[in-house]
Amino acid sequence: KQEVTQIPAALSVPEGENLVLNCSFTDSAIYNLQWFRQDPGKGLTSLLLIQSSQREQTSGRLNASLDKSSGRSTLYIAASQPGDSATYLCAPFGQGGKLIFGQGTELSVKP
Amino acid sequence: EAGVTQFPSHSVIEKGQTVTLRCDPISGHDNLYWYRRVMGKEIKFLLHFVKESKQDESGMPNNRFLAERTGGTYSTLKVQPAELEDSGVYFCASSQETGRGYTFGSGTRLTVV
Repeated sequence: KQEVTQIPAALSVPEGENLVLNCSFTDSAIYNLQWFRQDPGKGLTSLLLIQSSQREQTSGRLNASLDKSSGRSTLYIAASQPGDSATYLCAPFGQGGKLIFGQGTELSVKP
Repeated sequence: EAGVTQFPSHSVIEKGQTVTLRCDPISGHDNLYWYRRVMGKEIKFLLHFVKESKQDESGMPNNRFLAERTGGTYSTLKVQPAELEDSGVYFCASSQETGRGYTFGSGTRLTVV
């Protein structure tokens, strides 16, 4: 049974810092992994989709890496801004394409 | 392109009542998923439709939950009768292909009192 752990559970940083969010999963037999953000009271916004054949994906200030063999993915946020404050969720794809979520990392970026 | 639409956005019902949640996926997306997040827990899979067929309903908690997808378009999730532990946020998501990127709706916050 796939289990997803995200570390840290919460993070508070001053604006401008570069930061790394970590995600680990127990079953490396995944094929894709997706990172989302969730703003309070809102739905999930897709950030990056990493396919199994890829090792990383980049979008603007975001970079996500995937190491299937070690069961890890990281989300790197460069030059953080207050607007980045949200909960970040990592979700590898399980059997049948269903997503398996971790508890998320709650990020607060202070001006 | 219109996103995934869910309604109502909030619902407060009494224990024992019936509630129906609706999800309109992105047009042309054959795959439709329901997930939910109960207080303090991670988001968990409920079920997966491919067009009008249930592909996987292994996450449905019990037989008080009934999901349908009429004609492979919108989907409904009915809870009957609702219990206190059903409170949470119910999300719907759709994708064009299985295993490809998902688009989520804003969710329905269900409160059973």
